[in-house]
Amino acid sequence: DTAVSQTPKYLVTQMGNDKSIKCEQNLGHDTMYWYKQDSKKFLKIMFSYNNKELIINETVPNRFSPKSPDKAHLNLHINSLELGDSAVYFCASSQVRRYGYTFGSGTRLTVV
Amino acid sequence: SQQGEEDPQALSIQEGENATMNCSYKTSINNLQWYRQNSGRGLVHLILIRSNEREKHSGRLRVTLDTSKKSSSLLITASRAADTASYFCATAGRSGGGADGLTFGKGTHLIIQP
Repeated sequence: DTAVSQTPKYLVTQMGNDKSIKCEQNLGHDTMYWYKQDSKKFLKIMFSYNNKELIINETVPNRFSPKSPDKAHLNLHINSLELGDSAVYFCASSQVRRYGYTFGSGTRLTVV
Repeated sequence: SQQGEEDPQALSIQEGENATMNCSYKTSINNLQWYRQNSGRGLVHLILIRSNEREKHSGRLRVTLDTSKKSSSLLITASRAADTASYFCATAGRSGGGADGLTFGKGTHLIIQP
C-alpha cells in the first residue's frame, strides 16, 4: 500500500549504458516529479508532469527523459550514463495547491 | 537556482531540549513547506504554511513565516532521539508548488543526543 513507489532502490551500471527508473503513485495526485539529490544532499527538480504538460528544468541534460504512460506513472529514462549522473533520484507526487509532496524512497544510482 | 538556505547546517542537542532551524529564501512564494529526511530514506512532509499565514502548529512542531524578511523557522519542542534527521525547507512559487515544483534548501542535519 506504498503511496509512491519507485524501483529499483539501487542501480549500479557502467558509463555509457541506458537505464530506466520506474515510479508509480496510488494517491490519485495530478502532478508527478523527479528530483535529483547530490552527494551534499542538495535536492534539485528535474521534471514535473501534470495533465500531459511536461515542465523541464533547463539545466537537465537531454539524455534524461521522463515518460508517463498514465497519470499514476512517471518513469525516468537516462541514456549514455555518465559518472556525474551518480546520485539519488526521488520521485514525488502532489495534488496541486493542496498539502505537500509525497516522496518515494529514492533510487541510488551509481555509475562506474 | 537555489532558493532556500537553512541555518544552521548542523545542530546537535540533548534529548528533551528544543531545536530551532531557520530558512531564508529569495523570491516571492505561495507557500513554504518543511520536510524531514531520515538517513537513506525519502523525504516526509511535515508542515505547510501559506504566504498569508504567520504561524502554524502541528504536534511538537511550530513554524513561523515572515514574508517581509523572507524567512521561516521550524521549532521542534521536547526533542526525541527519533527526531534525528535532516530537515529541509522548500518554497513554492506562484503555481503553489505545481508545475514549477518546490525549491529546496540545503537542509539542517539535526542530531539528538540521548
